[in-house]
Amino acid sequence: ETGVTQSPTHLIKTRGQQVTLRCSSQSGHNTVSWYQQALGQGPQFIFQYYREEENGRGNFPPRFSGLQFPNYSSELNVNALELDDSALYLCASSQTGVNTEAFFGQGTRLTVV
Amino acid sequence: GDSVTQMEGPVTLSEEAFLTINCTYTATGYPSLFWYVQYPGEGLQLLLKATKADDKGSNKGFEATYRKETTSFHLEKGSVQVSDSAVYFCALSDRGANSKLTFGKGITLSVRP
Repeated sequence: ETGVTQSPTHLIKTRGQQVTLRCSSQSGHNTVSWYQQALGQGPQFIFQYYREEENGRGNFPPRFSGLQFPNYSSELNVNALELDDSALYLCASSQTGVNTEAFFGQGTRLTVV
Repeated sequence: GDSVTQMEGPVTLSEEAFLTINCTYTATGYPSLFWYVQYPGEGLQLLLKATKADDKGSNKGFEATYRKETTSFHLEKGSVQVSDSAVYFCALSDRGANSKLTFGKGITLSVRP
């Protein structure tokens, strides 16, 4: 059984650029959630994807968007990067249902300069 | 909306000391409660969970009891080890199909030999 994998592990972007982060969900999981963890803070929910559709969104602007593919992998896209977007982005996969458990990847560290 | 409040940190203990990390929550309905741990440079790992009132979650010597009357889920360990040094996050999720997690700010635990 493979775990949740994210790529890349680190990247540096310039303000105003666009970035795509990738996540492969754990085998058997059909739901992917993305979180933003700023330095010294707890993760904040960005959105969740289930069966290729957005299934819940946190308090993030529309320039944060995502995709889920038929194999349940997912992408997080951020347009018009701002300095405050610098954070660790975490992907979590789970199986939809009551009392589900989310398994996290190691995250992508994004630095916007 | 849902929220999780953790005690302020950081916490520094000597090896074999007793650990308590406080966590209280605000939620509608009957959330599931979690403790996640984040070791340096890594993503989040589920430490333990409880899904209903009076449930006790336990793992690796850590315990936490779901207290509905006090809306709390305090983490305890009788004898900490240097290897327990990490950041600990309390979190909740509602019981619906959306397994979005709401996290506290986290607390850094350092255990000295």
